[in-house]
Amino acid sequence: EADIYQTPRYLVIGTGKKITLECSQTMGHDKMYWYQQDPGMELHLIHYSYGVNSTEKGDLSSESTVSRIRTEHFPLTLESARPSHTSQYLCASSGGQQETQYFGPGTRLLVL
Amino acid sequence: SQQGEEDPQALSIQEGENATMNCSYKTSINNLQWYRQNSGRGLVHLILIRSNEREKHSGRLRVTLDTSKKSSSLLITASRAADTASYFCATPDGGDMRFGAGTRLTVKP
Repeated sequence: EADIYQTPRYLVIGTGKKITLECSQTMGHDKMYWYQQDPGMELHLIHYSYGVNSTEKGDLSSESTVSRIRTEHFPLTLESARPSHTSQYLCASSGGQQETQYFGPGTRLLVL
Repeated sequence: SQQGEEDPQALSIQEGENATMNCSYKTSINNLQWYRQNSGRGLVHLILIRSNEREKHSGRLRVTLDTSKKSSSLLITASRAADTASYFCATPDGGDMRFGAGTRLTVKP
């Protein structure tokens, strides 16, 4: 098992709420990623970071934002959640010369 | 954008049978990876094959790569019910990874 953690695992909230999905890794990896995945579907990259103070948007347009103040921490924030944000959010990291990504268990978000 | 595309989308077999999944990709690569995802969980890396390799084994897994056809296959031999999961191929794209839509494998006991 990789040392990458996501909280909460499940979240049910109402429309308009601000939420932050947490992701942390203890492997010292420089690169971290957020993916959005609907059930049974492909992964879509929404944000990535190559190191502290580095953040970039991925392919899928997302109303979320991220920050990378510490190497180990890469939180994702939705300022105003909507039902269209209902999905599973997966965090991953990779480091050094390794090209393998290590995934957290995911956060399942339901916006009512 | 999606780089790898898995085929078939879904596969159902009996325990003990072999399962073969295929992946096609579009651009030149230096490696291709296979991942597994149990329902509702994150992905787990299974195996990486480099562009100068044609075949690689890991336990009951066998991966082949044909760069001329831009395709790869994952073979799981002597399948078990615990192999039931979705399997994704992935290729590096710059500093990122592009994942396919996955093959959903069901192994019936």
